[in-house]
Amino acid sequence: GAVVSQHPSWVICKSGTSVKIECRSLDFQATTMFWYRQFPKQSLMLMATSNEGSKATYEQGVEKDKFLINHASLTLSTLTVTSAHPEDSSFYICSAREGEAFSQPQHFGDGTRLSIL
Amino acid sequence: QKEVEQNSGPLSVPEGAIASLNCTYSDRGSQSFFWYRQYSGKSPELIMFIYSNGDKEDGRFTAQLNKASQYVSLLIRDSQPSDSATYLCAAYTGGFKTIFGAGTRLFVKA
Repeated sequence: GAVVSQHPSWVICKSGTSVKIECRSLDFQATTMFWYRQFPKQSLMLMATSNEGSKATYEQGVEKDKFLINHASLTLSTLTVTSAHPEDSSFYICSAREGEAFSQPQHFGDGTRLSIL
Repeated sequence: QKEVEQNSGPLSVPEGAIASLNCTYSDRGSQSFFWYRQYSGKSPELIMFIYSNGDKEDGRFTAQLNKASQYVSLLIRDSQPSDSATYLCAAYTGGFKTIFGAGTRLFVKA
């Protein structure tokens, strides 16, 4: 159980393109979803947290106009990188959590490797 | 600022030995703790969680929690080369917030 599906797994596109990444919880309702980015050999960096039906909460230093997050339902969240540039190239990972109980872990998708040329 | 601290490693152990991974957390109000394994180039996967003081065992893995010392550990018995990965410790601090450590790299030598 607790499967999080993330698509696409790999994206290569030209500078200036907008890229949308989808994150779905397949067998549970994700009350809260999280988006992380990770550069090679570095730790996870939380970008934003979103609850279904409400606006995402962005971490300090993350541009909300560049990284658009939509948590439209209890099973789907999307991250759109707008007008992507080479410095946006990274490994983007979504995570989902069911409910508010303290015992609930975050479950991670397989990640999306984004390369901007 | 709420933090979870881990030694970055690498921690190197021979095959068959016990690997001991440690973590401290700053928020005394943290309610539960999670260990994740992350292979290079992959996303983290949950190994186990603990929220009561003491030990919790799951196969070759044992998580230990000492709330008085704000200390969490993960023991891996009979370590295998396939256990070589980065291990992330995480603390749930409430309000949907889970704080992740930077991870400890483990290398199991065959």
